[in-house]
Amino acid sequence: DARVTQTPRHKVTEMGQEVTMRCQPILGHNTVFWYRQTMMQGLELLAYFRNRAPLDDSGMPKDRFSAEMPDATLATLKIQPSEPRDSAVYFCASGLGTGVDEKLFFGSGTQLSVL
Amino acid sequence: SQQGEEDPQALSIQEGENATMNCSYKTSINNLQWYRQNSGRGLVHLILIRSNEREKHSGRLRVTLDTSKKSSSLLITASRAADTASYFCATDDNQGGKLIFGQGTELSVKP
Repeated sequence: DARVTQTPRHKVTEMGQEVTMRCQPILGHNTVFWYRQTMMQGLELLAYFRNRAPLDDSGMPKDRFSAEMPDATLATLKIQPSEPRDSAVYFCASGLGTGVDEKLFFGSGTQLSVL
Repeated sequence: SQQGEEDPQALSIQEGENATMNCSYKTSINNLQWYRQNSGRGLVHLILIRSNEREKHSGRLRVTLDTSKKSSSLLITASRAADTASYFCATDDNQGGKLIFGQGTELSVKP
């Protein structure tokens, strides 16, 4: 059963530490999205890629966040240095890359707590 | 920035009743999608309606779209306790591919 895999599922860290979240998109999907979910802001789009190229990362704080796709099977989201306000659930989603009418498949998320 | 806004924020009903959730959006779209999220899990795609469609059905789900009012509704008929979840609408940015989600409606179905 094809699914998006995210690791780790939970991460607790101290302020100032580097955090790396990983995502394995569904094989054959060529779009990858990173979303952040909080009670206050809901689901915010941080960045998305098509064919490993970043298309839009305007939702991401550039000074501390970075997103990359080293290869087609791995997407990473890094926060350096982390801050308590970064505490949230981070979701990765992938899609076939059809553009119009594309539906997304979500991972189970990484729950991040920055103390 | 938020594109879709759901209404109500929370809805509590008895099993067997129908649940209706509404979504309003701001700019023109190619399609509108509804997703479901169970507590502690990722979102799951439910249904997609294109901008040139007015109504679509899938099992117990019925979605309507009114592009003149920039609004959509999701109706779940004969609800079950297992339908308890948060429901989100999502719209594209009319440039293809980028989905923006609303704040969601939290549905509770009591047995």
